[in-house]
Amino acid sequence: GAVVSQHPSRVICKSGTSVKIECRSLDFQATTMFWYRQFPKKSLMLMATSNEGSKATYEQGVEKDKFLINHASLTLSTLTVTSAHPEDSSFYICSASRGSSTEAFFGQGTRLTVV
Amino acid sequence: GENVEQHPSTLSVQEGDSAVIKCTYSDSASNYFPWYKQELGKGPQLIIDIRSNVGEKKDQRIAVTLNKTAKHFSLHITETQPEDSAVYFCAADNDYKLSFGAGTTVTVRA
Repeated sequence: GAVVSQHPSRVICKSGTSVKIECRSLDFQATTMFWYRQFPKKSLMLMATSNEGSKATYEQGVEKDKFLINHASLTLSTLTVTSAHPEDSSFYICSASRGSSTEAFFGQGTRLTVV
Repeated sequence: GENVEQHPSTLSVQEGDSAVIKCTYSDSASNYFPWYKQELGKGPQLIIDIRSNVGEKKDQRIAVTLNKTAKHFSLHITETQPEDSAVYFCAADNDYKLSFGAGTTVTVRA
């Protein structure tokens, strides 16, 4: 159990376009989902926390208008990178927790390349 | 907020030997300490975790120890195998979020 699926695994987009990344909990209800960004050979940097049915909480320095997060159901959260630029190229990873536990299960990650 | 430090940043071991990674944390309120293994191009995978009411936990070749007084916890991998080569992250909970260490790149030499 506790499988989190992230899609797509890789995406290449042109500068100025928007990209949507999906994160699904397949066999449990995720009350909280987290979005991370990871630079090469670096640790995970938390971008935002999303709870089902409410607005996401963004970490300091993360532009909420650029990284739109929607958590419409207990099994799906989406991250949309709007008006993407080459500096947005990165590895984006989601995780999901169930109930009040901080035990987190990660998706496979999405490699975004903006050209 | 929570600050998690992880050492070493890289670790090379001979196949069959043991590997130990150590982490310290700053927030005494933290109660949950997971370890993740991340292979290249993939998301982190939870390999073992420990809660503050336990001092040690073992699962086959991996074990984790926790010293709440000293605020440090360690990952031990015995009888290392080539497939153990990966980046390992420790983490500590803080206000329903996880704070991660910087990661340790483990290389197991055949």
